[in-house]
Amino acid sequence: AQSVTQPDIHITVSEGASLELRCNYSYGATPYLFWYVQSPGQGLQLLLKYFSGDTLVQGIKGFEAEFKRSQSSFNLRKPSVHWSDAAEYFCAVGGGSGGSYIPTFGRGTSLIVHP
Amino acid sequence: DTGVSQDPRHKITKRGQNVTFRCDPISEHNRLYWYRQTLGQGPEFLTYFQNEAQLEKSRLLSDRFSAERPKGSFSTLEIQRTEQGDSAMYLCASSYRTGGVETQYFGPGTRLLVL
Repeated sequence: AQSVTQPDIHITVSEGASLELRCNYSYGATPYLFWYVQSPGQGLQLLLKYFSGDTLVQGIKGFEAEFKRSQSSFNLRKPSVHWSDAAEYFCAVGGGSGGSYIPTFGRGTSLIVHP
Repeated sequence: DTGVSQDPRHKITKRGQNVTFRCDPISEHNRLYWYRQTLGQGPEFLTYFQNEAQLEKSRLLSDRFSAERPKGSFSTLEIQRTEQGDSAMYLCASSYRTGGVETQYFGPGTRLLVL
């Protein structure tokens, strides 16, 4: 069964500092990996996705993530955090080889940004 | 592309009442998903449609829950005899799968409170 672990429930950073949010997955084949962001009371917005190819993926809002198969990780990074980045971040893993496609989400990491 | 829309955005109801939520997907998307999200958790899969066919249902979807997508466009999720444990955010997502690659786009959600 596929699963996602986001080990950090909360992360606090100062505005302008760098950010890394951790995501570890379990999946039997080559995974499709996603990062979503959710502002309070809102739906999820796709930040970036990895399907294949270059393991360093660029997304919107200056975010990037690196797929490391050997570590089963897909960590999200941003070099300089803005106050507007404060939100809940979800990592998700899903399959893509035929059949049904049902992504599994982690429980999320809440990002707090101090001025 | 106007995005995924959901209606209503908020619903307060009394225990035992029936409620119905609507989701309008992105027009060219043939797959539509329903998720439930409780506080502090990631979205949990409930069910999904490919066109008008309901292809998979989670064990989370009790007999009190029913979903339809009658013409392969909008979808409704009905909860009968609501219980306090049904209080959650109900998210809809749509996608278009081609060549084994699929990305879900989420609506803003319907927040349900059962008193």
